[in-house]
Parts: sequence; structure tokens; C-alpha cells
Amino acid sequence: NAGVTQTPKFQVLKTGQSMTLQCAQDMNHEYMSWYRQDPGMGLRLIHYSVGAGITDQGEVPNGYNVSRSTTEDFPLRLLSAAPSQTSVYFCASSSGGRGSPLHFGNGTRLTVT
Amino acid sequence: GESVGLHLPTLSVQEGDNSIINCAYSNSASDYFIWYKQESGKGPQFIIDIRSNMDKRQGQRVTVLLNKTVKHLSLQIAATQPGDSAVYFCAERKAGTALIFGKGTTLSVSS
Repeated sequence: NAGVTQTPKFQVLKTGQSMTLQCAQDMNHEYMSWYRQDPGMGLRLIHYSVGAGITDQGEVPNGYNVSRSTTEDFPLRLLSAAPSQTSVYFCASSSGGRGSPLHFGNGTRLTVT
Repeated sequence: GESVGLHLPTLSVQEGDNSIINCAYSNSASDYFIWYKQESGKGPQFIIDIRSNMDKRQGQRVTVLLNKTVKHLSLQIAATQPGDSAVYFCAERKAGTALIFGKGTTLSVSS
């Protein structure tokens, strides 16, 4: 049982480039979410999804897009990367909705130069 | 604004000591609280949770205490081990909303 899998583990982008952070879970969880973690800021919610075809914005959604075409996958897209998006990104899922204990992936460390 | 915070960013203890990590919250409507442990290079891992109708909950070597009067949450780790070295986050939930995370306390355990 792999849990939540994130790829890539590390990524360097130039300002203005686009990329997709991948997230997949094999626990059949309906709820999935993306957080970013910055020094001294804790974890902040970017976007979340309560099921396939349903997404919504979190606390810091600007500059990011998501889609949820299947229960298993929840990719995060950066359309035009900015240095302010340098961060560690975590995908998380749960079976009980957005207020339930989350299962986290091991993160993607993104640097935008 | 309402937020979850931690009293101290770092805590250093000796192996075998008991550790107490504190968290203050300001949202009186929060009904559920969770502690997470994050080791270097990994995602946060669930440790223990507590609902607002409880004052105390115990797990294996860990105890969470909730004081709603002063809006304070603490995590107690008994007989701290080097493997307990990590960043610890508290998180709160107001009913129907997503979890809000605090900024974390780094626990360092020396042998």
C-alpha cells in the first residue's frame, strides 16, 4: 500500500515556466488537497477536492490550478512560475472530508529562479 | 485574525526525559484538534487527535491535553527517544472547514 505518492521530489524552474506536480493515492479517499510549506509559515492550503470533478480554493490559491478527473489523481499546475512559489508542496488525502486526519505524501521541493 | 500557534519554535531535551510541546489557538469554535510529526524530508504524520468534548487523550507514549478555557493544547511525550526528534505541528478544525496548521515546534533529543 503506497499511500500518497508525489512526483517529482525536486524541481527547479525558471520564472515564467509551467509545470505540473503529480499526486496519486491508492486508498480510495474522496478528499484530496494541496498544501505549501514555507519557513515560519506552517502549512497553508492551496486547493482541495471533495471528489472527482469537484475542486475548490483554499487559503492561497493564486497562481495554481487543479483538476480532479479520477478519485486517485489530483495534479497541481503552475501556469507561469514565480519566485514566490518557491516552496515545499505537499499533497494529502483523507477518507473523512476536509476536517479529518490527513495522509500526506513526502512532498515536492520546488525552486523558481 | 484567528490562527493556531505554538509557544516555542524549538525544544531541546535529554533522552529519557518527558517532553511537553504547547500550542495556543484562538478560534473558540474549533471542535477538533490534531498533532502531527514531521521528520526531515518527509510529510507530516498523524500522531493523535482530540475532540473538543474531551480534556485528555492518551496514545502510546503520547498524551494530548486540551484546555478550552484558555484555548491551549499540549502534546506530552513520555521517555523521549532520539527517534522523536522532528517538527511537531498542531492543527485545528472549525466544523465544516479545512484543517488550519500551526507553525511548528522543532524537538531535538540528545543522547
